[in-house]
This record gives sequence, C-alpha cells and structure tokens, in this order.
Amino acid sequence: QKEVEQNSGPLSVPEGAIASLNCTYSDRGSQSFFWYRQYSGKSPELIMFIYSNGDKEDGRFTAQLNKASQYVSLLIRDSQPSDSATYLCAVISGGGADGLTFGKGTHLIIQP
Amino acid sequence: DAEITQSPRHKITETGRQVTLACHQTWNHNNMFWYRQDLGHGLRLIHYSYGVQDTNKGEVSDGYSVSRSNTEDLPLTLESAASSQTSVYFCASSESIGVAGNTIYFGEGSWLTVV
Repeated sequence: QKEVEQNSGPLSVPEGAIASLNCTYSDRGSQSFFWYRQYSGKSPELIMFIYSNGDKEDGRFTAQLNKASQYVSLLIRDSQPSDSATYLCAVISGGGADGLTFGKGTHLIIQP
Repeated sequence: DAEITQSPRHKITETGRQVTLACHQTWNHNNMFWYRQDLGHGLRLIHYSYGVQDTNKGEVSDGYSVSRSNTEDLPLTLESAASSQTSVYFCASSESIGVAGNTIYFGEGSWLTVV
C-alpha cells in the first residue's frame, strides 16, 4: 500500500515569513513528486514538481527532495495572504501505472 | 486554450439512481483519471485510462464504472448511487505517465449529493 503522509495542520505563518510544508512517502520506488495548491472549493493546481535529490527553485517556491529519507518538502518564501490554501503532496511510483497518490494535504494560513 | 471540463458541476440525486458525470479534455492527452475528494481522505483514485478502449480500476472503484470510446472523453457512471458516494469528483488528464516532469491537470470538479 503506497502512502503519502502530511501534517493536516492548520499551519499558521506570519506574512513575510517562510512557510515550510513537509511530506513523507512509503514507496522507495517513487520517481516523481508534485506539490499542488488547492483553494477552498477549487480544483488542485500544480505548483512544482521535482524528481532529483536536492533543491528546485521557482520564484518564491523551493521544493526539496531527499530520496534516502523518503521526504519531500515545499518552502514558500515571503509568504502572502494569497498563499493561504491547502497544499497537496503527490507521488508517482514505479511505472506510474496508477497516476498520482496524494497525501491528505496541509492547510496553510498566512496571517497578515 | 486547451482545457478539461466537467459536467454537471453540481448535482443532487436520489439513492439508487444511475448518475453519469462527464469529463472532456481538449489537450489530446492519452491518460485520464477520476478522483474523489472527501474530508479526512484526501484525493483517491477511482478509475483511470491510458487510451481508447483502456480502463483500469483505482483504489476506490466499487460502485463506479468508466468507458473510453474516444481520446477526449471519460465519463464516470455511478451504477446505483449511494449516500456514501456523496463527494466532490475531479477528472484529470496527463500527456504521459511515469516520465519525470509529467503533469496531471485537473478539471473544476463535480459536486455530487446523494439523498
């Protein structure tokens, strides 16, 4: 059974600070890792993907992957109130035969 | 612009009725998916398809069926709706599977209430 674990939160971060979201996964064969943002009542939208160990930066977002420890994280710098949402970690395992396996999401609140 | 659309966006139905949720994508993606999202469970895969005439069961497929007669559409049918199937349903599509950097795009969701 492939599992993706996230702290459900809520995670409360002051505006302008760094928000750190974490995710662990059970399948060592996992290949690709995704972070989606989901606003209440809306569909998930892709923020970033990462598939190599290390850091990947895109604007205010940085994804970090450590396959040995089986965790992936998302850092949001200079957090804005508009970043308040649920962040979903998703993983493709093996040959990706069954699409993405999602974590339950972390609810992030940016306090003005 | 290419997109993925779902209909209806909101539906209320009675227990025991057959319900079909439509999903249409214009990206010409081979891979299409149906997920349901519930509080406490997150997004769970119902069915998926790699191409025309191909369908596969996901984690929570009982009570659901899909068919793929063309590339653009993957309708989801609830054979006999049950209250446990009250949920938000998301259709998604992707160009490839298992390729680094592959992206899955989601439709806007269909809110289904079974009373």
